[in-house]
Amino acid sequence: DGGITQSPKYLFRKEGQNVTLSCEQNLNHDAMYWYRQDPGQGLRLIYYSQIVNDFQKGDIAEGYSVSREKKESFPLTVTSAQKNPTAFYLCASRAGVSRSNQPQHFGDGTRLSIL
Amino acid sequence: GENVEQHPSTLSVQEGDSAVIKCTYSDSASNYFPWYKQELGKRPQLIIDIRSNVGEKKDQRIAVTLNKTAKHFSLHITETQPEDSAVYFCAASRGFGNEKLTFGTGTRLTIIP
Repeated sequence: DGGITQSPKYLFRKEGQNVTLSCEQNLNHDAMYWYRQDPGQGLRLIYYSQIVNDFQKGDIAEGYSVSREKKESFPLTVTSAQKNPTAFYLCASRAGVSRSNQPQHFGDGTRLSIL
Repeated sequence: GENVEQHPSTLSVQEGDSAVIKCTYSDSASNYFPWYKQELGKRPQLIIDIRSNVGEKKDQRIAVTLNKTAKHFSLHITETQPEDSAVYFCAASRGFGNEKLTFGTGTRLTIIP
């Protein structure tokens, strides 16, 4: 969807380095999500935020951190504690906390690799 | 937590034939079931979704059926075309303020010309 922008498209991390993946949306969506996708596997939830200044851990939050200081932005930091960070990272957003069962829409993803 | 199982993991069908992908879920409180299509290296895109108050939904060549008693739902694609080749993911959530989606592991669908 054109309204969700992830950058960069490709990212390389050195050992012991933290890297931050950007996700911006101009859809005025309340909720935002970060997923990790490994080859041959489904999407696994890392963190999600249903409202500004609030976020919750997903199923695989260890080694990751997020912030939600603005409604349109939900950056993900992959820390050095994440020992296997090579994956395809997808950001998604969804309209209205008060509007249940609305679909999530995805950005184009960031592919992170280890140098 | 919710667990979603998806079968088969790979599926090949002749162009023009039908394809069926099945998912089961574990959380009886789940009430929203979307299906996403992902082409190689691209974002997942919603193709159809169903809510628990209906048993079937159709959109042209695509249909989804839901059996809440058995806790399974299926994607049906009729008159398949080469552009239907992709990976398809099912997902489930409780909705109503608990909007986490749990995804299946995906089905790689190949349409044979």
